[in-house]
Amino acid sequence: DTAVSQTPKYLVTQMGNDKSIKCEQNLGHDTMYWYKQDSKKFLKIMFSYNNKELIINETVPNRFSPKSPDKAHLNLHINSLELGDSAVYFCASSHLAGGLETQYFGPGTRLLVL
Amino acid sequence: AQSVTQPDIHITVSEGASLELRCNYSYGATPYLFWYVQSPGQGLQLLLKYFSGDTLVQGIKGFEAEFKRSQSSFNLRKPSVHWSDAAEYFCAVGFMEYGNKLVFGAGTILRVKS
Repeated sequence: DTAVSQTPKYLVTQMGNDKSIKCEQNLGHDTMYWYKQDSKKFLKIMFSYNNKELIINETVPNRFSPKSPDKAHLNLHINSLELGDSAVYFCASSHLAGGLETQYFGPGTRLLVL
Repeated sequence: AQSVTQPDIHITVSEGASLELRCNYSYGATPYLFWYVQSPGQGLQLLLKYFSGDTLVQGIKGFEAEFKRSQSSFNLRKPSVHWSDAAEYFCAVGFMEYGNKLVFGAGTILRVKS
């Protein structure tokens, strides 16, 4: 009965590879987010989708491409991985973006680029 | 620009002692305020939130927080800390006009001495 789930939980890969992280929510929410938590534990939003439409796109390299096949899923694809991409990536979801709603977070995906 | 400051990187308290974690924000209008907790290797769990109304809000696990507009603060408190409260605590500010974006503080690590 996990509300927001992410796969994989851990990801170790080489520089230059392409990888994807998947996120699914079963809360019936309309809006989903990706956050990056760096080595200093600083959390920063990357993207937000509402009903499969991109609504927030912070200054993120275009190697990062979110994809939302439906409103319950928001996957993050990363091309040409770099050392600096090593971080914990959190997915979150909430109700309509039209009002300020509580965001519920997944357990995180720990990405290590070697 | 919006920002959130948590001035204390680490705090150590004795079990049973009271706790206050500080949070200040910079924003022109009334913000939406949240406290999240992150246990080691885990995702973020919402402790409490303030949207409007009573400025003293109660959360889970015996935590409370008080919004003080004059001080641009939203400090988290607990009257008696338990060893299981050891974790990292994040204050966050939500901005509806920016697509429900959350801006997080840098976090405060709480250590509990027995």
